Amino acid sequence: AQSVSQHNHHVILSEAASLELGCNYSYGGTVNLFWYVQYPGQHLQLLLKYFSGDPLVKGIKGFEAEFIKSKFSFNLRKPSVQWSDTAEYFCAVNARGSGNTPLVFGKGTRLSVIA
Amino acid sequence: GAVVSQHPSWVICKSGTSVKIECRSLDFQATTMFWYRQFPKQSLMLMATSNEGSKATYEQGVEKDKFLINHASLTLSTLTVTSAHPEDSSFYICSAREAGAFTDTQYFGPGTRLTVL
Repeated sequence: AQSVSQHNHHVILSEAASLELGCNYSYGGTVNLFWYVQYPGQHLQLLLKYFSGDPLVKGIKGFEAEFIKSKFSFNLRKPSVQWSDTAEYFCAVNARGSGNTPLVFGKGTRLSVIA
Repeated sequence: GAVVSQHPSWVICKSGTSVKIECRSLDFQATTMFWYRQFPKQSLMLMATSNEGSKATYEQGVEKDKFLINHASLTLSTLTVTSAHPEDSSFYICSAREAGAFTDTQYFGPGTRLTVL
């Protein structure tokens, strides 16, 4: 079974600071990797996803993530955060090509951006 | 992009009553839908996997007789919380899987907040 670890529970940054949120997964096979964002009072939205190919994935709103297979990691980055990036960020993984496998989520990282 | 809707967005009910939550994929067909539960300030916990035309697969610890799932069509899955109790109060979220070789992505509904008095 897959598992996902997000090591940072709560991150507080000033506007314009750079962001990196850690995500590590545990699974022996090939996986699909996702980052979702949940703004206050809103539903989950897909930020970016990795299936195959270039391990550096660019998503919406200036976010990117890099898949490092040897480290089982898929860290989320943004060079300069804005106040509007304040939200909960979830890393998720599912096994590729094995049918209807659900997403397994990390516990989430709360990002607070202060002016 | 793919849109998933849920209805109702919030519901308050008395203890002992049943509540039905609908999940619809609006612009794509979803052979598989997933139901999650999210407690305040926590991550999403998978409850069950709903497959069109067949029985749902429940995660360990989820009572299938309490949380009835029906996936009647390729665009609709329903979750019925039977004989609801205050401990069932939570945020219920569905997702629909847009299947394909390289589009194996789940899209999430806005969630339904259930409060049982």
